[in-house]
Amino acid sequence: AQTVTQSQPEMSVQEAETVTLSCTYDTSESDYYLFWYKQPPSRQMILVIRQEAYKQQNATENRFSVNFQKAAKSFSLKISDSQLGDAAMYFCAYIENSGYALNFGKGTSLLVTP
Amino acid sequence: DTAVSQTPKYLVTQMGNDKSIKCEQNLGHDTMYWYKQDSKKFLKIMFSYNNKELIINETVPNRFSPKSPDKAHLNLHINSLELGDSAVYFCASSQTGSGNQPQHFGDGTRLSIL
Repeated sequence: AQTVTQSQPEMSVQEAETVTLSCTYDTSESDYYLFWYKQPPSRQMILVIRQEAYKQQNATENRFSVNFQKAAKSFSLKISDSQLGDAAMYFCAYIENSGYALNFGKGTSLLVTP
Repeated sequence: DTAVSQTPKYLVTQMGNDKSIKCEQNLGHDTMYWYKQDSKKFLKIMFSYNNKELIINETVPNRFSPKSPDKAHLNLHINSLELGDSAVYFCASSQTGSGNQPQHFGDGTRLSIL
């Protein structure tokens, strides 16, 4: 079974600074997808960014970017110019191309301080 | 327009009761899911349905019975509720079950068992 590990239960960043959230995963598959979801206190699950394993180029969405290291099975999320609204739980998730179920990490709680 | 809507948002009930959570998506997606988020915020797949057919049943007690009357709906019925069923239940949908299709989540239903 695939496992997703987020080794940082909590992180803190000052407004306008940059923070990196770590994620590693274990799989024997070569074709899969990786996601970061954000869950604010409102409980919604919001897709932040996704990465296709077959693409070497790291995905970027505005202030959010990933560092995808396929050989190392690492998928970290970098948030630049952090804003108060970025405070949330962040979940890393993995799914095979054959799909049907996201496997989530245990989450990282991000605190943003003024 | 809410893409994936769940009702109710909150459900408080007593042990032993039977309850249902409804989910509807207006995205025209073929695949729908139920996830459970426990008290430690861990998210785990329960069921996946594709075109009204069950694809994944992830070792969920048979007290939980999903029903998909059509592609746009996936309801969750729970019999004989137990204290351990207290959690947030998320419905999600995607265009297909393939990993390259992002999953869109509802706002969750918080189930509290007294």
